[in-house]
Amino acid sequence: RKEVEQDPGPFNVPEGATVAFNCTYSNSASQSFFWYRQDCRKEPKLLMSVYSSGNEDGRFTAQLNRASQYISLLIRDSKLSDSATYLCVVNIKGPNQAGTALIFGKGTTLSVSS
Amino acid sequence: ETGVTQTPRHLVMGMTNKKSLKCEQHLGHNAMYWYKQSAKKPLELMFVYSLEERVENNSVPSRFSPECPNSSHLFLHLHTLQPEDSALYLCASSQDIGQGTDTQYFGPGTRLTVL
Repeated sequence: RKEVEQDPGPFNVPEGATVAFNCTYSNSASQSFFWYRQDCRKEPKLLMSVYSSGNEDGRFTAQLNRASQYISLLIRDSKLSDSATYLCVVNIKGPNQAGTALIFGKGTTLSVSS
Repeated sequence: ETGVTQTPRHLVMGMTNKKSLKCEQHLGHNAMYWYKQSAKKPLELMFVYSLEERVENNSVPSRFSPECPNSSHLFLHLHTLQPEDSALYLCASSQDIGQGTDTQYFGPGTRLTVL
């Protein structure tokens, strides 16, 4: 089982639509969860951290279900500028147990059209 | 943004060449990372440095050799690479490695092509 799995998409939606991305992770010891955004040919940038209680930042809502090892991202009122690849990211202990490492999913591509 | 810079941005090299990638962070962070992003694959962690000490080597072939002379600079020395090593190499930094809650800030990457 892949450590972090995402539906690759692409998701093609009109402006104003609501779209949801899902992600599952395999390591039950994971402590921290994030959504990163990566624009075409650019570096990933943190979109938001994901907390157990769920959290919202403007049009973006992230939720975590530890029991199911499932993370979601909901985008409301999609804008053209939301077009990007959304990366689900989970932290795990590194192989040498000396620290933690981020494990990235392959990403879900979103294309918002007018 | 100039928090994390990488040079060169593009590199083409033959399999017998030796080259180095450079990363510099201006954020006062203690941890730095090298990632590889290949087409249609997720980002793969290669190396982790904390306070100039390597804390993780994620089973990376020895033709990739990292160097961290101080907490602001990270190098990736390349030697006798293979065409399948062609990828985007991303450097990142975070305040500490700790419990993994610190945000990682990425540089723009070096797009490497091995002929």
